Amino acid sequence: GESVGLHLPTLSVQEGDNSIINCAYSNSASDYFIWYKQESGKGPQFIIDIRSNMDKRQGQRVTVLLNKTVKHLSLQIAATQPGDSAVYFCAENTPYSGNTPLVFGKGTRLSVIA
Amino acid sequence: DAGVTQSPTHLIKTRGQQVTLRCSPKSGHDTVSWYQQALGQGPQFIFQYYEEEERQRGNFPDRFSGHQFPNYSSELNVNALLLGDSALYLCASSLNYGYTFGSGTRLTVV
Repeated sequence: GESVGLHLPTLSVQEGDNSIINCAYSNSASDYFIWYKQESGKGPQFIIDIRSNMDKRQGQRVTVLLNKTVKHLSLQIAATQPGDSAVYFCAENTPYSGNTPLVFGKGTRLSVIA
Repeated sequence: DAGVTQSPTHLIKTRGQQVTLRCSPKSGHDTVSWYQQALGQGPQFIFQYYEEEERQRGNFPDRFSGHQFPNYSSELNVNALLLGDSALYLCASSLNYGYTFGSGTRLTVV
């Protein structure tokens, strides 16, 4: 079946640097994408989302970019902090064109070096 | 406003036993989805309940069953437990398209 995947399983960055986490998706019908942060022992926590009719969305210190042409999603974290250390998942579904379950990728572990 | 509440937080069961996990959705949410997350993996969709009926199901055997109550809370039941069922079980509630996850139940099958 179709799934959402990630290019890099681990990412180490220096505190204060910017982080970029990438995700490739294969379902061209997906119209909603979400980034989640999961800390040890906790459930996924919503970070930011984007609909397929947008190519960029900004939040507090985070930006999500969507490239529908190459089916690529990225999460940018500005001025990465130790508290950003976690596993990050991208997820997708189609709530606007027939509801489908949220499909997750395998995740990228972000380690922030102080 | 409480988010999604799951119980118990941790559970140890013996192979072959049955287990029931519980989920109370976020206030205002009417849909509950269950996910299984193996160590080092992303959550895998088990099934989704809406209006007390299973609306969608992932690729999981019939040993996995569920229920949704009139107050929107939900249970996940797993029969004839296997060692491979050891995982973090996540409940997510939603209204339309916004999902909120609980902290999960860590199930260990020995």
